[in-house]
Amino acid sequence: DQQVKQNSPSLSVQEGRISILNCDYTNSMFDYFLWYKKYPAEGPTFLISISSIKDKNEDGRFTVFLNKSAKHLSLHIVPSQPGDSAVYFCAASADSGGSNYKLTFGKGTLLTVNP
Amino acid sequence: DVKVTQSSRYLVKRTGEKVFLECVQDMDHENMFWYRQDPGLGLRLIYFSYDVKMKEKGDIPEGYSVSREKKERFSLILESASTNQTSMYLCASSLNRRYFGPGTRLTVL
Repeated sequence: DQQVKQNSPSLSVQEGRISILNCDYTNSMFDYFLWYKKYPAEGPTFLISISSIKDKNEDGRFTVFLNKSAKHLSLHIVPSQPGDSAVYFCAASADSGGSNYKLTFGKGTLLTVNP
Repeated sequence: DVKVTQSSRYLVKRTGEKVFLECVQDMDHENMFWYRQDPGLGLRLIYFSYDVKMKEKGDIPEGYSVSREKKERFSLILESASTNQTSMYLCASSLNRRYFGPGTRLTVL
């Protein structure tokens, strides 16, 4: 049973436009959510996170929105840049962002930003 | 900056060989993890360790074992490599979020 779902395997946007990556989850115990970014031949790097006590967290061009009632979160990148082209993983845990042994990852979305 | 290093970036082994993948972190993190990444399957947890000599099975431990003799080092062992273990292997350590190493692309022929 896939508890964290990224239903779009890929997304293509034009440079300067908004990129919206979506993630759905089924486990109501999840209370902390993260986005990781991965370039080919590199390990994933942490991008942004959000606790379930918030519905929005912003860091520069990156904003994560959380809709708990819909069990849905999204990552907005504005404006998109070619260097943002990567695979984006959504992840969730149920221990308020602590040790999060059981960090559950989605399958990832490949974002391509075209110049 | 947290640094997680993996012993090899690329590795080619034959079916039946014993394979060791080494991971070292320099931030004194207690928690360390081994994942594999496959196209269309995302990141799947193989094993994790929350302390020296402690280990827990992840979601796909079959065919793998691990060793954590020192806090900074976490090894993944493929006792008898098989072709379905061809994958990208990612080590991570964490305090409250995962820091990943660069990955080892393992090919089993």
